[in-house]
Amino acid sequence: GAVVSQHPSRVICKSGTSVKIECRSLDFQATTMFWYRQFPKQSLMLMATSNEGSKATYEQGVEKDKFLINHASLTLSTLTVTSAHPEDSSFYICSARDGGVNYNEQFFGPGTRLTVL
Amino acid sequence: GQNIDQPTEMTATEGAIVQINCTYQTSGFNGLFWYQQHAGEAPTFLSYNVLDGLEEKGRFSSFLSRSKGYSYLLLKELQMKDSASYLCAVVDSNYQLIWGAGTKLIIKP
Repeated sequence: GAVVSQHPSRVICKSGTSVKIECRSLDFQATTMFWYRQFPKQSLMLMATSNEGSKATYEQGVEKDKFLINHASLTLSTLTVTSAHPEDSSFYICSARDGGVNYNEQFFGPGTRLTVL
Repeated sequence: GQNIDQPTEMTATEGAIVQINCTYQTSGFNGLFWYQQHAGEAPTFLSYNVLDGLEEKGRFSSFLSRSKGYSYLLLKELQMKDSASYLCAVVDSNYQLIWGAGTKLIIKP
């Protein structure tokens, strides 16, 4: 089946620093990747959608200058949380869509738990 | 606006059967997913329905009625490991996933 990896799985950083999270599709080419954020006991919240080679589309209320997304290849997307603050502490999950037979299905990475001190 | 409704929390007994309902109002419809999410983990795929009817997969079944904007996930022979949140998500006309808030299922021995 389609496998998506995320790195790191857990990160703790100081307030004001930047953190980069990688999302990779291991056995398929992901035409579209999605970045979600999930706070405790809440559902997934879509932050942005990125298509390979083009700028990401951000959801309303998500600061594109704070959450930098790069989808430079069909197997890799990165999310950089710039100047992180404690309120950015959350569970960040990426997903990928292969654009093929399973066009609608999103395959999820294992998530990255970010803690900002 | 787009809306997905599912119960916040349900409790069931080990070995029993539970049905988790999901109703939706979206701009267009291109299928409905059910995902399982254990605490602290990412969602995992359970089922996908795009046509009306029941899809059975082992202990889990998913039903869809497009005319009613309604789906349910049926879990049989409940096991303690089934304690998790169950997320209903609808693919809208733009092929975006619209997520429900999830139903937390608590299994008691």
